[in-house]
Amino acid sequence: NFMLTQPHSVSESPGKTVTISCTRSSGSIASNFVQWYQQRPGSAPTTVIYEDSRRPSGVPDRFSGSIDSSSNSASLTISGLKTEDEADYYCQSYDSSNRVFGGGTKLTVL
Amino acid sequence: QVQLVESGGGLVKPGGSLRLSCAASGFTFSDYYMSWIRQAPGKGLEWVSYISSSGSTIYYTDSVKGRFTVSRDNAKKSLYLQMNSLRAEDTAVYYCARSSDTVAARGIGTWGQGTLVTVSS
Repeated sequence: NFMLTQPHSVSESPGKTVTISCTRSSGSIASNFVQWYQQRPGSAPTTVIYEDSRRPSGVPDRFSGSIDSSSNSASLTISGLKTEDEADYYCQSYDSSNRVFGGGTKLTVL
Repeated sequence: QVQLVESGGGLVKPGGSLRLSCAASGFTFSDYYMSWIRQAPGKGLEWVSYISSSGSTIYYTDSVKGRFTVSRDNAKKSLYLQMNSLRAEDTAVYYCARSSDTVAARGIGTWGQGTLVTVSS
């Protein structure tokens, strides 16, 4: 089984840009789509990025996703940070046998 | 709009059973893979199970194999999770989730609000 490793926490100021990484332990990051989920305190998760870089309708274009084969990692970038972006963010991918979530990153906007 | 509403959670003793249900609306239920994902208190997300649109393909995470059974009724637009031999470590919020596409369970497009399962004596 592979793992997805995320930083435990990140913080940034309103209006700035932040990037959250997600590194795959084995197997190519490019072989299977990566998704990103946002979970605000006390709420269910919502999908902000699917299939590496696609945004569901209603998700602002301040959210973007990418993958980097050289580091075998995916990234979620949030620009023009707002206080409402403060949440936990989870990456997720899969292989033929498993569906795996990263451990989550707590984003603080201060 | 797409909506998923879970029910059936509650307090159960170790070794007991519980059946979760998820009522879907706002989309063609029979087109999509459906999943159960859980989150233990203060912890991260764990993909528990998924079932294909026809019910012919099913996945379980190792920790629930032999104890949990996922099923669906496309006519009733409903997803189920039968949980037997429950353990304290099964305590979590259980989310019903729809795949982001109709091909497979590669990612989640829509989440329910969750139902809390507490296993305790």
